[in-house]
Amino acid sequence: GAVVSQHPSRVICKSGTSVKIECRSLDFQATTMFWYRQFPKQSLMLMATSNEGSKATYEQGVEKDKFLINHASLTLSTLTVTSAHPEDSSFYICSARIGVNTEAFFGQGTRLTVV
Amino acid sequence: DAKTTQPPSMDCAEGRAANLPCNHSTISGNEYVYWYRQIHSQGPQYIIHGLKNNETNEMASLIITEDRKSSTLILPHATLRDTAVYYCIVRVALSGGSQGNLIFGKGTKLSVKP
Repeated sequence: GAVVSQHPSRVICKSGTSVKIECRSLDFQATTMFWYRQFPKQSLMLMATSNEGSKATYEQGVEKDKFLINHASLTLSTLTVTSAHPEDSSFYICSARIGVNTEAFFGQGTRLTVV
Repeated sequence: DAKTTQPPSMDCAEGRAANLPCNHSTISGNEYVYWYRQIHSQGPQYIIHGLKNNETNEMASLIITEDRKSSTLILPHATLRDTAVYYCIVRVALSGGSQGNLIFGKGTKLSVKP
């Protein structure tokens, strides 16, 4: 299947700082990318959907000013967690889709720990 | 998108077939059934998807009932590395401009035992 790469795989940051997570589709162009968050022992929760060149669509309850999403090209989307707090500690996962009715492929996830 | 119901957990002996059921009784005619799995601390892995017909690939088979209200994912010869949480998701077939999000439920935790 297609490859989606996330970087970094793990990050520890201090409370109040910002962290950027990158999501790249390595061997295909992704018209749409998705960002999920997963807390321990819970399922994935969709945070936002982004289409290249347009503003992201955020799910209800997700603060768009805190979780900044940029999808500047067909192979790269970034999620920036601004002013991170310990409760933002989670497993963040991106996925990318080639076309409207194709399967989505997932990155390996980023473990964020805010201390 | 229609909701799915899966058993929270299942066990399977190594080398035997693992049959994972999924109920999607409210599925619409234009909704696909997708299966993903998530091994601990990794991103989900695509397995297979289908609309009406049964599907098979190198990983698994997907059996969809004729009324499309339920489906079964079959791993023909389970190995210890197949231990994971398996998610059954239904998603509407998209037209241009639709988002097509995958909404994850709680899935089935499959434990393959030696």
